[in-house]
Amino acid sequence: AQSVTQLGSHVSVSEGALVLLRCNYSSSVPPYLFWYVQYPNQGLQLLLKYTSAATLVKGINGFEAEFKKSETSFHLTKPSAHMSDAAEYFCAVSEVIYNQGGKLIFGQGTELSVKP
Amino acid sequence: NAGVTQTPKFQVLKTGQSMTLQCAQDMNHNSMYWYRQDPGMGLRLIYYSASEGTTDKGEVPNGYNVSRLNKREFSLRLESAAPSQTSVYFCASSGPTGGTQGQYFGPGTRLTVT
Repeated sequence: AQSVTQLGSHVSVSEGALVLLRCNYSSSVPPYLFWYVQYPNQGLQLLLKYTSAATLVKGINGFEAEFKKSETSFHLTKPSAHMSDAAEYFCAVSEVIYNQGGKLIFGQGTELSVKP
Repeated sequence: NAGVTQTPKFQVLKTGQSMTLQCAQDMNHNSMYWYRQDPGMGLRLIYYSASEGTTDKGEVPNGYNVSRLNKREFSLRLESAAPSQTSVYFCASSGPTGGTQGQYFGPGTRLTVT
């Protein structure tokens, strides 16, 4: 069965510092991986996705993630944190159902705080 | 284009009461999903509907029922609410490539059961 583990339920960085949010997955088939962001009292917004086209994936708001098969990881990074990046971030792996959408399995989430 | 909409935004129920959470999407998506979000547990799939006319259980279906009313609408019903169902509920939808392209989420319904 597929699963996702996010290391660290809370991460705190200073404004301008590197953001690194960790995600490891377990999958018996080539995975489709996603990062979602949730701002307070809002729904989830797709940040970026890995669909095997390229191992380094760029998303919105300056975020990117690198797929490393040997480490079964898909860590999310941003070179310089901004106050507006404070949110909860979810890593997810997809259980693809051919031509029927597919189900997402989510990690526990990491809350990012940005200090001025 | 409103995307995925959910009603109500907030609800307080007493134990044993029933209610239906409504979800609609205007993106002509085939697949729709209901998740619950609890602190430290991420989002867990309750039920999903891969296409109009079909529904299947997810990870945590007990205490819930769903109806895929038409292609646009997918409702979640709590027949006899319990405090353990206090949570934030999210509806999502995706096209046939949703497994590879991701899902679109609604704003959520915050439910408290006392």
